Amino acid sequence: GDKVKQSPSALSLQEGTNSALRCNFSIAATTVQWFLQNPRGSLMNLFYLVPGTKENGRLKSAFDSKESYSTLHIRDAQLEDSGTYFCAAGYNTNTGKLTFGDGTVLTVKP
Amino acid sequence: EAAVTQSPRNKVAVTGGKVTLSCNQTNNHNNMYWYRQDTGHGLRLIHYSYGAGSTEKGDIPDGYKASRPSQENFSLILELATPSQTSVYFCASGENTEVFFGKGTRLTVV
Repeated sequence: GDKVKQSPSALSLQEGTNSALRCNFSIAATTVQWFLQNPRGSLMNLFYLVPGTKENGRLKSAFDSKESYSTLHIRDAQLEDSGTYFCAAGYNTNTGKLTFGDGTVLTVKP
Repeated sequence: EAAVTQSPRNKVAVTGGKVTLSCNQTNNHNNMYWYRQDTGHGLRLIHYSYGAGSTEKGDIPDGYKASRPSQENFSLILELATPSQTSVYFCASGENTEVFFGKGTRLTVV
């Protein structure tokens, strides 16, 4: 949607390389969640962030609430990293509603 | 293992018919959500709930009703299904904007 803009919309990576995905918020978000939707359609939780940084294996994510953006860094991309990455902004911790971006389709090639 | 389980996983319905999508969670979360995902897009919120007995309209509630009879169960009801409601539907449970999704239900209205 317009509130949450993801870039790029599609990305092709060679196995073993690094890249970064970005999410910009037109309205400042309170929290951010990153998901990976695999080719079967399941949504896997990657990160849940309040402002700050988290790292998990080859993935690292940062959320800057003042500048209204979040990034997801992929290091040493593997074939199984292929899929669609979604970021979702949380604006109200009481309702827990999320506003999703349209996703980045990542293809990792051997 | 705590989980969000949706049923059915696939459904074909006729235009004008009634469709009920069911969701069960064992996360003991107060909040539950129904989203739909259309090809090439992120998820959009249809209805959500704060707890048993509560239902709230999301961003695209028209044509849908919801029911939360218990902490564990949250249903999405299409009283008069239309072809425009053909989509993949995701149920989720969560707290404080961190949500966990079920595997989705693919609904086709013919």
